[in-house]
Amino acid sequence: GAGVSQTPSNKVTEKGKYVELRCDPISGHTALYWYRQSLGQGPEFLIYFQGTGAADDSGLPNDRFFAVRPEGSVSTLKIQRTERGDSAMYLCASSLAENTEAFFGQGTRLTVV
Amino acid sequence: SQKIEQNSEALNIQEGKTATLTCNYTNYSPAYLQWYRQDPGRGPVFLLLIRENEKEKRKERLKVTFDTTLKQSLFHITASQPADSATYLCALERNTGNQFYFGTGTSLTVIP
Repeated sequence: GAGVSQTPSNKVTEKGKYVELRCDPISGHTALYWYRQSLGQGPEFLIYFQGTGAADDSGLPNDRFFAVRPEGSVSTLKIQRTERGDSAMYLCASSLAENTEAFFGQGTRLTVV
Repeated sequence: SQKIEQNSEALNIQEGKTATLTCNYTNYSPAYLQWYRQDPGRGPVFLLLIRENEKEKRKERLKVTFDTTLKQSLFHITASQPADSATYLCALERNTGNQFYFGTGTSLTVIP
């Protein structure tokens, strides 16, 4: 595709449920990032992939959060036992190489009720 | 850990004037720094990247400076237009990898 695609664009789920958020990066981009953004705040780093491996997952808030990128392209962010505090915009970005600009998707707005 | 601070107050300027936004950081100097624009409900859009060995970079009406002594980057929009109204984010590389961290952003409103 022409840009980074995230699905779904909106997700409403009940507290305690499991959710998966998908990111399709720009073809050929080896680096992929997940961020979380609350209203009025800057994006908060969650995890960074270089190829298939998670190069840095230090931003994941706890073990309920997990992300995979099995073939070095599409990535899925998985949240178990969702809590109301998980409600936020989840942003995915990809970049061609190190130290280059990142392209962001439009985000998935997650609401936990 | 690295702390990134941007103008906490929203910035309102008159059309045609130059807007100047500030990004200050503590601790180590990043190898590069980026500026993004974000409109409500949308993902950030890349504007400019400046490396630690560059003091200034320009792109059309945009100019970024990087002062590693002051630990500060300034972002200028000259001849501002109402369409420039948005939130502007600075992002710094983490010294142990290539991922980057964002400031809280500055909201800019250009008044016609």
